Amino acid sequence: ETGVTQSPTHLIKTRGQQVTLRCSSQSGHNTVSWYQQALGQGPQFIFQYYREEENGRGNFPPRFSGLQFPNYSSELNVNALELDDSALYLCASSFFRGGADTQYFGPGTRLTVL
Amino acid sequence: AQRVTQPEKLLSVFKGAPVELKCNYSYSGSPELFWYVQYSRQRLQLLLRHISRESIKGFTADLNKGETSFHLKKPFAQEEDSAMYYCALIPLGGTSYGKLTFGQGTILTVHP
Repeated sequence: ETGVTQSPTHLIKTRGQQVTLRCSSQSGHNTVSWYQQALGQGPQFIFQYYREEENGRGNFPPRFSGLQFPNYSSELNVNALELDDSALYLCASSFFRGGADTQYFGPGTRLTVL
Repeated sequence: AQRVTQPEKLLSVFKGAPVELKCNYSYSGSPELFWYVQYSRQRLQLLLRHISRESIKGFTADLNKGETSFHLKKPFAQEEDSAMYYCALIPLGGTSYGKLTFGQGTILTVHP
């Protein structure tokens, strides 16, 4: 069984730039959720994708957007980067059963915005 | 809106001592509660969840709806239990499906 993978591991961008982060879900999973974890904080929910559509969104502005592909992998795109976007971005996959499905996390992408 | 509070940022115990990591939540409906753990240089991983009622690595957690708590307990701590622990909640029903809400985490250190 292949676990959740994320790329890249680390990324440095400057303010105003755009970034794309990638996630491959665990085999057998069809749902991907994205979280932002600032230093010293717990992860915060950004959004979830199921059947290639956004299936719930947290309190993040529209410049945070995503995609899910037919193979259930996913991308997180952030436009017009701000300094406060510096964080660890976590991807989690699960199998949609219509309840509180257990989410399995990837190792994260560390984004630094200068 | 739901909220999870872990009142202790840091918790230190000696090996063999009992340990309790506190978690309180606020949510008007029925939640599913989780404990996730992150060992040094490893990814966040599920430790246990309420619905499965399992004991994992000697840890247990009881949901107390009256006190809205889901404290994590272990009778005899081991050095390998040293890690960051997060309590998290998913609302059952409503429009927040799939949204895990995390507490801020507790760093547990078990001294030899």
